[in-house]
Amino acid sequence: QTVVTQEPSFSVSPGGTVTLTCGLSSGSVSTNYYPSWYQQTPGQAPRTLIYNINTRSSGVPDRFSGSMVGNKAALTITGAQADDESDYYCLLYMGSFWVFGGGTKLIVL
Amino acid sequence: EVQLVESGGGLVKPGGSLRLSCAASGFTFSNTWMNWVRQAPGKGLEWVGRVKSRTDGGTTDYAAPVKGRFSISRDDSKYTLYLQMNNLKTDDTAVYYCTTVQWAAFDYWGQGTLVTVSS
Repeated sequence: QTVVTQEPSFSVSPGGTVTLTCGLSSGSVSTNYYPSWYQQTPGQAPRTLIYNINTRSSGVPDRFSGSMVGNKAALTITGAQADDESDYYCLLYMGSFWVFGGGTKLIVL
Repeated sequence: EVQLVESGGGLVKPGGSLRLSCAASGFTFSNTWMNWVRQAPGKGLEWVGRVKSRTDGGTTDYAAPVKGRFSISRDDSKYTLYLQMNNLKTDDTAVYYCTTVQWAAFDYWGQGTLVTVSS
């Protein structure tokens, strides 16, 4: 069974920088998994932030960026704002199926 | 403007069936792979299944928990995606979202429809 790992929660100060990661319980995240990232606030549908590792979806501010860091995919928020407080999910494409990470609750305070 | 509007959710007893629909507009539906994703109350996102475009074979794949019970289909003439759910279990209680697929990611999402499985 493929398990995608994310930090359960993270805190960042307003204006600060935070990097959330997306790994695999067994093995490394490859670029072939086309990692993508989604933001979700309570009661709302998810919003696509990043696809294909580091491509921002239309309308996403450039303070959001994606990358590969070591054996993981990463989402970096630079200059965090109060309305960035949300749940963030990564998604990996495994060829014929997809697997979401468990999500990271980001707190901005 | 891309729009995805799910419908068909509701309350159903364990063992029952339900069919969800997703009405699409604003893009060329027939050329687009489509997904269903669900989210149980207070839980994370879970991929349910995908249907490819007809030009890519129109095949489907499903997550293990729903394989053999759920079926995805599409009517390109109606710009509509379907999710037929049979033998429903209480664990299937969730908000169900339809999404488009682009670059192996889920780029557009509907607002979701709630399915509650309870006796």
